[in-house]
Amino acid sequence: SAVISQKPSRDICQRGTSLTIQCQVDSQVTMMFWYRQQPGQSLTLIATANQGSEATYESGFVIDKFPISRPNLTFSTLTVSNMSPEDSSIYLCSVEGVAGVGEQYFGPGTRLTVT
Amino acid sequence: DAKTTQPPSMDCAEGRAANLPCNHSTISGNEYVYWYRQIHSQGPQYIIHGLKNNETNEMASLIITEDRKSSTLILPHATLRDTAVYYCIVRVAGSGNTGKLIFGQGTTLQVKP
Repeated sequence: SAVISQKPSRDICQRGTSLTIQCQVDSQVTMMFWYRQQPGQSLTLIATANQGSEATYESGFVIDKFPISRPNLTFSTLTVSNMSPEDSSIYLCSVEGVAGVGEQYFGPGTRLTVT
Repeated sequence: DAKTTQPPSMDCAEGRAANLPCNHSTISGNEYVYWYRQIHSQGPQYIIHGLKNNETNEMASLIITEDRKSSTLILPHATLRDTAVYYCIVRVAGSGNTGKLIFGQGTTLQVKP
C-alpha cells in the first residue's frame, strides 16, 4: 500500500480567498485523484491528475475553480479558488496501488471550512 | 450515478459476524466489485475486491453470487473499531481514468458492545 500525507489537515478560510492543498505520496505513481466530501455526504471525484499533463476534470468541476498541479510522480496540489461557504468540505487525494488491480489508497483528507 | 444499492445502516454485536449486502444488478462482465470503508474523520480504506469467485483476506471475505448481481462483505468477528461507513463499488480493474471510483451513500455499520 502507499502512504499518503496531506497538508494542511484542516483550515478555516474567508470567502473570496484561495487555499492550496498538498498531497505527498511515499512512492512514484502515475495517477493521482482528488475527491471532495461535502458534510454528511459521500465522496465525489473532482479530477484525475497525470504527471506531465493537464488534469482531467469530472462533470461539474472546472479548472478555474480547482486548478491542479502535478509536478512529479510523488506530489500534487489542488487549489480551491475564490472560496465560498459551499466549498466547505473534506478534500482527499488518492492513488492507485502498485499491484495494478485497481485498488486506491487515500490520504487523511483536508477539512476546509469557509466563513 | 452509483451502480450499487446498499442498505443505509446496519447494527452488529461485537464479536459476531457482520454481513453487509450490496446489489449491483447492472454489473458488466469486466467490472469488479470493490469494498472500501471510511472510519469517522479518516480517508477511505480499501478492504477487498473480486470478480466472480469468493475472496478472503486478513480483513474480510467477499461472497459474490453466481449471477454476479449481488455480493456480501463479511467481517467474521466484528469489533468496535469496525464501526464505519462501508462502500460497495463496481468498476473496471486496472489503473487509469476508466476505472475511477464512484461512491454511493454506503452502509453505516454500527458495532455495539
